[in-house]
Amino acid sequence: NAGVTQTPKFQVLKTGQSMTLQCAQDMNHEYMSWYRQDPGMGLRLIHYSVGAGITDQGEVPNGYNVSRSTTEDFPLRLLSAAPSQTSVYFCASSSGQTNTGELFFGEGSRLTVL
Amino acid sequence: QKEVEQDPGPLSVPEGAIVSLNCTYSNSAFQYFMWYRQYSRKGPELLMYTYSSGNKEDGRFTAQVDKSSKYISLFIRDSQPSDSATYLCAIRRPGDKLIFGTGTRLQVFP
Repeated sequence: NAGVTQTPKFQVLKTGQSMTLQCAQDMNHEYMSWYRQDPGMGLRLIHYSVGAGITDQGEVPNGYNVSRSTTEDFPLRLLSAAPSQTSVYFCASSSGQTNTGELFFGEGSRLTVL
Repeated sequence: QKEVEQDPGPLSVPEGAIVSLNCTYSNSAFQYFMWYRQYSRKGPELLMYTYSSGNKEDGRFTAQVDKSSKYISLFIRDSQPSDSATYLCAIRRPGDKLIFGTGTRLQVFP
């Protein structure tokens, strides 16, 4: 029972480089999302998707792109990394069919931008 | 004003103590209230949820919502070192996305 799997767990980038954080879930969840977690700021929503082919912006979308070609995968792309994007990134999914709001999180991807 | 406020701590208590973790929120439209627990270097996981006002108990954990004061609490009885983690409150309006508090770091020492 893998749940939500994120790769890589750690990454160091130079300013201006691009990269993709991968997220996959095996629970057949329709809803998937990306958060960043910074000290004193809590979890902030970057982008989310309510199903394959549908994505929308969250609270802090600038500098990030997403796509949802399958139910299972929801990659997050950093187009031109900046030091302000140094953070821990979490992917989360939800069945979206209950009102409990239970999100299932991956273990996180720690990104450092130099 | 932030929609949800949470004291970041850290909160350090001896094993066996009763712990009280709290959040305040600003909008009376919020109806779903959750507590997530996050161990170090792990993702958050849902611990408790309540709908509207009242209490909910699960073992040593009790979640409490006071909508008149816009105040939510998580009580941990007989705290254990394994309870050491960051606790995040999360709230939601019907049909809307979760809003998280910044989290309170709890340390339970033996």
